[in-house]
Amino acid sequence: QKEVEQDPGPLSVPEGAIVSLNCTYSNSAFQYFMWYRQYSRKGPELLMYTYSSGNKEDGRFTAQVDKSSKYISLFIRDSQPSDSATYLCAKISRGSQGNLIFGKGTKLSVKP
Amino acid sequence: DVKVTQSSRYLVKRTGEKVFLECVQDMDHENMFWYRQDPGLGLRLIYFSYDVKMKEKGDIPEGYSVSREKKERFSLILESASTNQTSMYLCASSLGLGGTAGELFFGEGSRLTVL
Repeated sequence: QKEVEQDPGPLSVPEGAIVSLNCTYSNSAFQYFMWYRQYSRKGPELLMYTYSSGNKEDGRFTAQVDKSSKYISLFIRDSQPSDSATYLCAKISRGSQGNLIFGKGTKLSVKP
Repeated sequence: DVKVTQSSRYLVKRTGEKVFLECVQDMDHENMFWYRQDPGLGLRLIYFSYDVKMKEKGDIPEGYSVSREKKERFSLILESASTNQTSMYLCASSLGLGGTAGELFFGEGSRLTVL
């Protein structure tokens, strides 16, 4: 089982919809998670990070961690066409010196 | 703002050629990384470096080498390019490892095509 698994989509939603992006992880060590956003032909950039369990909000974005089910989620409220991008979840890998291991990314398209 | 600059956005090379991908960061970060990104496979770590002249293998180092002679510069070398190395290559840097210090700052990528 891979350390981090993510549904690659693609996911297409109408403008204004609530978007839910999800990842699962297999190793409970290093409870520190990140969400990166990658626009087409650009490098990924950090969107949010969160520790352990619970929610973290930043504007229209909410990151959630459920330790019991080893599930991490990113919710986007009132989605906009400018949110169209690939979203990658990441977690510190168990096998390295604190390096991140990434999910494969979910490609999101928000239609006007 | 942290800036990670990759020297070439697009390259086309022939099988067997030696390829250099250069990356420079301007924030005095300790750590630098090379990833490749392929459809369906996501981001995979090739090599990373946590100090000048230090390097560590990532998940897929075969066919690659790296050089870090100066703190701000990290080069990826393909000694003899092959068609299966056609990919998007992303360089990244971070202040530290783990926690918020481990935030990766990425360059815009170098898309390499090997014919």
